[in-house]
Amino acid sequence: AQSVTQLDSQVPVFEEAPVELRCNYSSSVSVYLFWYVQYPNQGLQLLLKYLSGSTLVKGINGFEAEFNKSQTSFHLRKPSVHISDTAEYFCAVSVGAALIFGKGTTLSVSS
Amino acid sequence: AAGVIQSPRHLIKEKRETATLKCYPIPRHDTVYWYQQGPGQDPQFLISFYEKMQSDKGSIPDRFSAQQFSDYHSELNMSSLELGDSALYFCASSSNQDRAGDTQYFGPGTRLTVL
Repeated sequence: AQSVTQLDSQVPVFEEAPVELRCNYSSSVSVYLFWYVQYPNQGLQLLLKYLSGSTLVKGINGFEAEFNKSQTSFHLRKPSVHISDTAEYFCAVSVGAALIFGKGTTLSVSS
Repeated sequence: AAGVIQSPRHLIKEKRETATLKCYPIPRHDTVYWYQQGPGQDPQFLISFYEKMQSDKGSIPDRFSAQQFSDYHSELNMSSLELGDSALYFCASSSNQDRAGDTQYFGPGTRLTVL
């Protein structure tokens, strides 16, 4: 069965520092991967997705992710974070019509 | 741009009561998905509809049912509510005929509290 594992439940970081949120997936077939962000008391917003093609995917708000088939990873990165990036980040894999989410990573950006 | 609309945004019910949540997808989207997010949890897929037919089913309790109407809006009906049903319920919509990999656009959610 396809699934994703987010390796860090919480990531504290200072403003303007780089950040990497880690996600590993398990799948024996073609995989479609997503990163969503959830701000407090709000819905989920798509940051980026990988379907095929270039393994480096650029998303909104300066985020990017790299699909690594050999390491079965899809880590999310941002070179310089802002206070406003504080949120919950979910990695997800598409299984049929459904999205299967990881447990989430709380990114806390402080000044 | 128009987004997914969910109503109500907040709902408080007593145990054993029923609740109906509504979802209005983005115009011209033909697929609707329902997810349940418990406190501090990741969203769990419940059910989806494409062109008014159920297309996939996840961990939806038998006490819940859902349907998609001719105008593509969807309703999630929940009966015999339990304390454990307290959660944030998200609706999402997509176009492109319900294929895996389609971007799902999420609504703001309905927060259901069961007392």
